[in-house]
Amino acid sequence: DQQVKQNSPSLSVQEGRISILNCDYTNSMFDYFLWYKKYPAEGPTFLISISSIKDKNEDGRFTVFLNKSAKHLSLHIVPSQPGDSAVYFCAASYNQGGKLIFGQGTELSVKP
Amino acid sequence: DSGVTQTPKHLITATGQRVTLRCSPRSGDLSVYWYQQSLDQGLQFLIQYYNGEERAKGNILERFSAQQFPDLHSELNLSSLELGDSALYFCASSEEGRGGFSPLHFGNGTRLTVT
Repeated sequence: DQQVKQNSPSLSVQEGRISILNCDYTNSMFDYFLWYKKYPAEGPTFLISISSIKDKNEDGRFTVFLNKSAKHLSLHIVPSQPGDSAVYFCAASYNQGGKLIFGQGTELSVKP
Repeated sequence: DSGVTQTPKHLITATGQRVTLRCSPRSGDLSVYWYQQSLDQGLQFLIQYYNGEERAKGNILERFSAQQFPDLHSELNLSSLELGDSALYFCASSEEGRGGFSPLHFGNGTRLTVT
């Protein structure tokens, strides 16, 4: 039973445009959602998080939106840069932390 | 640099063998997590330790075991290895337990190849 799903394995975007990565979840008990970025041969790097009591969190070029009624979250990157090319994982946790449940990842390619 | 150190980076071994993967968490982090990433798969949670005690268990096989030592470093032991155990094994640490939310910080992983 996959509680966190990223249905798009890949996404290609032109440099300077917006990248939108999507994630769906099934467990309404999740209280925190996170996005991680992963380059080849490296571990996942924490990007941004959002509490389930909020619907938006912004950090520079990165914004995460949460729609609890739809059990859906998205990561917006504006403007996209070639250095943003990586695999992006969404993850969720309950009880204010502890283990994370990860989606399958979406490979973002930003073309110059 | 996340501050989480994993050794070795690469490990090649034969079926039936036993290996030990090592992880040093970020300074001050009491929680250590182990994850497995197989080919084209997401990260699967294996086990969590908090200050030396097992805190949570995921899809960890009985052939696998872990422990966290008094200096907070952790080891993941994989025995009777099978070809399907070939994967990336990640360790992460967090400040969990100090109150409030704390994200996990990952090491660069150990790539295990079983031949």
